[in-house]
Amino acid sequence: SSELTQDPAVSVALGQTVRITCQGDSLRSYYASWYQQKPGQAPVLVIYGKNNRPSGIPDRFSGSSSGNTASLTITGAQAEDEADYYCNSRDSSGNWVFGGGTKLTVL
Amino acid sequence: QVQLVQSGAEVKKPGSSVKVSCKASGGTFSSYAISWVRQAPGQGLEWMGGIIPIFGTANYAQKFQGRVTITTDESTSTAYMELSSLRSEDTAVYYCARGSMVRGVKRGYYFDYWGQGTLVTVSS
Repeated sequence: SSELTQDPAVSVALGQTVRITCQGDSLRSYYASWYQQKPGQAPVLVIYGKNNRPSGIPDRFSGSSSGNTASLTITGAQAEDEADYYCNSRDSSGNWVFGGGTKLTVL
Repeated sequence: QVQLVQSGAEVKKPGSSVKVSCKASGGTFSSYAISWVRQAPGQGLEWMGGIIPIFGTANYAQKFQGRVTITTDESTSTAYMELSSLRSEDTAVYYCARGSMVRGVKRGYYFDYWGQGTLVTVSS
């Protein structure tokens, strides 16, 4: 299967830690990448590879992978982290696939 | 700094076609994959297809096979996405994105740069 599955919505209290997960068969072969998208804006890459952050992404964002599951962890969530988060990977056909997205609410 | 700048918003009639451009600057255009991703109102991200300019061959998501054509013009570092037989469900923001890869125990593919998006509205 080339699908990636995410929980539709997750909430976290300000300053607490939250984990957003992504499941799919392709994740056994490829690392996921993670994107943050705020309303009216283009997606922004936050994690790629095993656990790499692009320049400018705070170190409270981290990634991990086990079996068919990839996780994005935000340690000490801030109000500005409230956004939609998408995972992404390739499949065995060479196509790219996105998860359905997780809406993160910071309480 | 790499930038991807897309063409402006379009309003199209059902059954017509639209062609969106994505001009790259600040990087090596030919050797990176360019993909097109769309987002319908209130919906998630959907990969449509991609191309590596230096190879010139595009691959497309099955959903769009036969309706989408992705091309590049290396002389102007511009990628194009043409979608035909438009219907109201094609109303969406269309993004171009540059694809990269990192190697490790597994390969990790990712989109490191995105265009600003182009709103295509299909309405009679």
